[in-house]
Amino acid sequence: ETGVTQSPTHLIKTRGQQVTLRCSSQSGHNTVSWYQQALGQGPQFIFQYYREEENGRGNFPPRFSGLQFPNYSSELNVNALELDDSALYLCASRNGQGILRFNDTQYFGPGTRLTVL
Amino acid sequence: GQNIDQPTEMTATEGAIVQINCTYQTSGFNGLFWYQQHAGEAPTFLSYNVLDGLEEKGRFSSFLSRSKGYSYLLLKELQMKDSASYLCAVGKDSNYQLIWGAGTKLIIKP
Repeated sequence: ETGVTQSPTHLIKTRGQQVTLRCSSQSGHNTVSWYQQALGQGPQFIFQYYREEENGRGNFPPRFSGLQFPNYSSELNVNALELDDSALYLCASRNGQGILRFNDTQYFGPGTRLTVL
Repeated sequence: GQNIDQPTEMTATEGAIVQINCTYQTSGFNGLFWYQQHAGEAPTFLSYNVLDGLEEKGRFSSFLSRSKGYSYLLLKELQMKDSASYLCAVGKDSNYQLIWGAGTKLIIKP
């Protein structure tokens, strides 16, 4: 158990719909990153939030957006869902916004499995 | 471009030793991480290397050569519970993001 929780665990949507995924970070962690992991692949970085602001983004279109709240919990929103959005969505929390170091280890939540039909 | 390569799958015997290799080509480097991921679960941190050499942690060791863009994870005294995917990830520079390999599925046989 890492102390990072995500909801829902599983979700089924249809093409064109919108989805919101939620993440509660580990206590004391102010930075949350979101990753998309397709089956049999490594995670792909979507974006990172530090103190309620996005401060890093991977190669994902604008229909992937997020929020971070004052308590450092976070949401990932995906609009106009496509079949290829089917994946495991992981959030990871850590303390600090600097370069990842040993003592800034990211702790991952259990993920949300999204299926788009 | 960014490229991280690992073997797709490896098989080893319980009690033996296995070495999982990772080669990388990335723009910017701030350390290399190894994570373990059991099927259907989140990745869990195993090791971090930023300087050349070997880091040992119990049954697991990780090695880095920055000049060769190469790392390996060494697992000793293999146990059945070590059956999992092992992901190599490189820390990039300005965005502090991790670039991940596709993972190596390790199968342990009795």
